[in-house]
Amino acid sequence: GQSLEQPSEVTAVEGAIVQINCTYQTSGFYGLSWYQQHDGGAPTFLSYNALDGLEETGRFSSFLSRSDSYGYLLLQELQMKDSASYFCAVRDNFNKFYFGSGTKLNVKP
Amino acid sequence: DAGVTQSPTHLIKTRGQQVTLRCSPISGHKSVSWYQQVLGQGPQFIFQYYEKEERGRGNFPDRFSARQFPNYSSELNVNALLLGDSALYLCASSLQGHEQFFGPGTRLTVL
Repeated sequence: GQSLEQPSEVTAVEGAIVQINCTYQTSGFYGLSWYQQHDGGAPTFLSYNALDGLEETGRFSSFLSRSDSYGYLLLQELQMKDSASYFCAVRDNFNKFYFGSGTKLNVKP
Repeated sequence: DAGVTQSPTHLIKTRGQQVTLRCSPISGHKSVSWYQQVLGQGPQFIFQYYEKEERGRGNFPDRFSARQFPNYSSELNVNALLLGDSALYLCASSLQGHEQFFGPGTRLTVL
């Protein structure tokens, strides 16, 4: 079946670096996306990897290894406003989108 | 530019009733997707529409249906509501599919 696994919760201090992992199992693969969602808000797009390697966007980087069905989101120079839930998501060959259950990031001063 | 808009913001229904949720995509976006999000979980894919045609369907019962109009806006209909349908319903529009822009959602409560 289809599944995405990511840690349920991660805690880090302001200014630190944190990595959120995601492993997936889907029928076909079009790419791995990452979304951020603050409590009470809508998910917002962070990054997308279609090919293996690292994509960098400001303080956020995302990595993909298709052979390992694995990716991660790296957040650097953590700020209090980064406290939110982070979701990995994939699209399969049948135009279905799958989201992980989310990782709640707690940033402490 | 306006983002994705959804209406209504909140809705309370009773079991067995029917509900229609509405979504307007970002101007120029032809793809609209619908998701159900239960508190504490990730969005669950319901439908994707592109150019008024259904392109993808998630594992939801036939009580759930949707359509897309010529102006690319979309409606999600849910019949015979169950208590378990209580959730946040999110609409997302996109140009290329992988970068989706979500609306604020409709909070549906079924009593």
